[in-house]
Amino acid sequence: RKEVEQDPGPFNVPEGATVAFNCTYSNSASQSFFWYRQDCRKEPKLLMSVYSSGNEDGRFTAQLNRASQYISLLIRDSKLSDSATYLCVVNGNDYKLSFGAGTTVTVRA
Amino acid sequence: DTAVSQTPKYLVTQMGNDKSIKCEQNLGHDTMYWYKQDSKKFLKIMFSYNNKELIINETVPNRFSPKSPDKAHLNLHINSLELGDSAVYFCASSPPMNTEAFFGQGTRLTVV
Repeated sequence: RKEVEQDPGPFNVPEGATVAFNCTYSNSASQSFFWYRQDCRKEPKLLMSVYSSGNEDGRFTAQLNRASQYISLLIRDSKLSDSATYLCVVNGNDYKLSFGAGTTVTVRA
Repeated sequence: DTAVSQTPKYLVTQMGNDKSIKCEQNLGHDTMYWYKQDSKKFLKIMFSYNNKELIINETVPNRFSPKSPDKAHLNLHINSLELGDSAVYFCASSPPMNTEAFFGQGTRLTVV
């Protein structure tokens, strides 16, 4: 079983739509959780950390469910510039960030 | 100022050659990593170092040898390059306490 599994998509949505997707992780001892964004042929960049209580950053909302070992990301009012691959990242206490394979989101005009 | 910089950005070389990729971070982080992103876009950890010491070697062939002369640098040397080594290699660093990592721009390696 992969350490982090994501729905690969692609999610193809119109501007202004809401899109949401999840990832699951296998290591129940995982300590930290993140969503990264990767644009084509670029490096991954931190989008937001994910906290146990859930957190928002503008149009982005992240949730963590430790009991079920999943993380979610919701994007409201999608913009063309939100088109990217979103990577779910989990950090155990072992000097390793484990990445999911990514969820591709395409926002169309 | 570039936080994590790696060189070269592009590397095209023949099978059997030996090549190196350099990485430097100016963030003062203790932990550095090498990741490989293959054609399927999956990012997989290769090595992690903490304060110049190897912490993780994720079943990478011996042809790959990382070297950390100090905690701001983590270089990757690859011997006897094979076609399957073609990928994008990302260097990253992170502060303590399992917080987020900052990535370099990547080195796109093509073995022909």
